[in-house]
Amino acid sequence: DAGVTQSPTHLIKTRGQHVTLRCSPISGHKSVSWYQQVLGQGPQFIFQYYEKEERGRGNFPDRFSARQFPNYSSELNVNALLLGDSALYLCASSFTDSGANVLTFGAGSRLTVL
Amino acid sequence: GNSVTQMEGPVTLSEEAFLTINCTYTATGYPSLFWYVQYPGEGLQLLLKATKADDKGSNKGFEATYRKETTSFHLEKGSVQVSDSAVYFCALNTNAGKSTFGDGTTLTVKP
Repeated sequence: DAGVTQSPTHLIKTRGQHVTLRCSPISGHKSVSWYQQVLGQGPQFIFQYYEKEERGRGNFPDRFSARQFPNYSSELNVNALLLGDSALYLCASSFTDSGANVLTFGAGSRLTVL
Repeated sequence: GNSVTQMEGPVTLSEEAFLTINCTYTATGYPSLFWYVQYPGEGLQLLLKATKADDKGSNKGFEATYRKETTSFHLEKGSVQVSDSAVYFCALNTNAGKSTFGDGTTLTVKP
């Protein structure tokens, strides 16, 4: 089985632009979460979707939005990019949203904002 | 809110040395605890987990025991190898999608 796949792997944007990042979870996984990992820090929770409904949102501005599609894939959108948005964006999936479930991470999308 | 505090790094060891990376947590409820490893240029991979107090997670020679009384989940390995060089993250879940991570500890093992 394929793991969690993310696209694009790398991208460069300029301040004020918009970006869309995509994630395909492991087959059968219904929960998708997004994390932001700034260099030298641990991942910070951005969003969780389970069965196509938003289940949680981290402490990020409204410029960040996400959605989950009927096939459980997901998109993360960031508007009006700032230099500080430069980071590795990780998508993770799990079968359910139970706390005991293991998160399986994709390799990430590295965003550079110039 | 939930938080995870990891031993600050970086940590440099010689091959076959003993490894301990400390992790303590603060959480409401009864979290599950995890150690993830991140190799350069890759996403995070699960190393081990424990879902209730006194559980011991183990994998590839690494171990960690869920200590509720000390709110700790320290990672140990008896004999590290060069291939263990990576960044290690301690994390907790009360909901699978909303994990809280520590800042990571970089381990370098020298031959």
